[in-house]
Amino acid sequence: DQQVKQNSPSLSVQEGRISILNCDYTNSMFDYFLWYKKYPAEGPTFLISISSIKDKNEDGRFTVFLNKSAKHLSLHIVPSQPGDSAVYFCASNNNDMRFGAGTRLTVKP
Amino acid sequence: NAGVTQTPKFRILKIGQSMTLQCTQDMNHNYMYWYRQDPGMGLKLIYYSVGAGITDKGEVPNGYNVSRSTTEDFPLRLELAAPSQTSVYFCASSKQGAVNTEAFFGQGTRLTVV
Repeated sequence: DQQVKQNSPSLSVQEGRISILNCDYTNSMFDYFLWYKKYPAEGPTFLISISSIKDKNEDGRFTVFLNKSAKHLSLHIVPSQPGDSAVYFCASNNNDMRFGAGTRLTVKP
Repeated sequence: NAGVTQTPKFRILKIGQSMTLQCTQDMNHNYMYWYRQDPGMGLKLIYYSVGAGITDKGEVPNGYNVSRSTTEDFPLRLELAAPSQTSVYFCASSKQGAVNTEAFFGQGTRLTVV
């Protein structure tokens, strides 16, 4: 059972524009959701998180939105930069932290 | 700060051989995890541990074993390696119960079974 789903395997945007990455989940009991960024040949690194009691968390160019009724969260990156090109994973924070399949973001100069 | 350290970085195994992937963390984290990432795929949880002496199966535990005798170390054992275990393995740790519960990952171990 896939508890966290990322249905878009890839996304391409122009530099300076907004990138929106989406994630759906099945378990209403999750406390936290996290976004990780991964470059090739490296381990994932933490990007931003959101508590289930909030609907928005912002950190510089990165904002995560949580829609509990729809069991959906999204990561907004604005403005997008070429260095943002990476694979982005959403994850649920239970004891057994589960990851989505990832979305490969390409930001074109 | 070393963070999470995995060894080896690369390994080629023959079918049927066994090996242990080492993982150690120096952040006094209670939670530790093992994931595998197949080409073009996401991270699949193999095993996790919420503290020394406690381990639990994740999504894909078959063919693997773990132990957690200390807070710092969480080795992953492959018995009777199979080509299906060719993958990149990531170890991670986190401080659950704290306000910031992000996980820190190692650099990965690229394993090829031939």
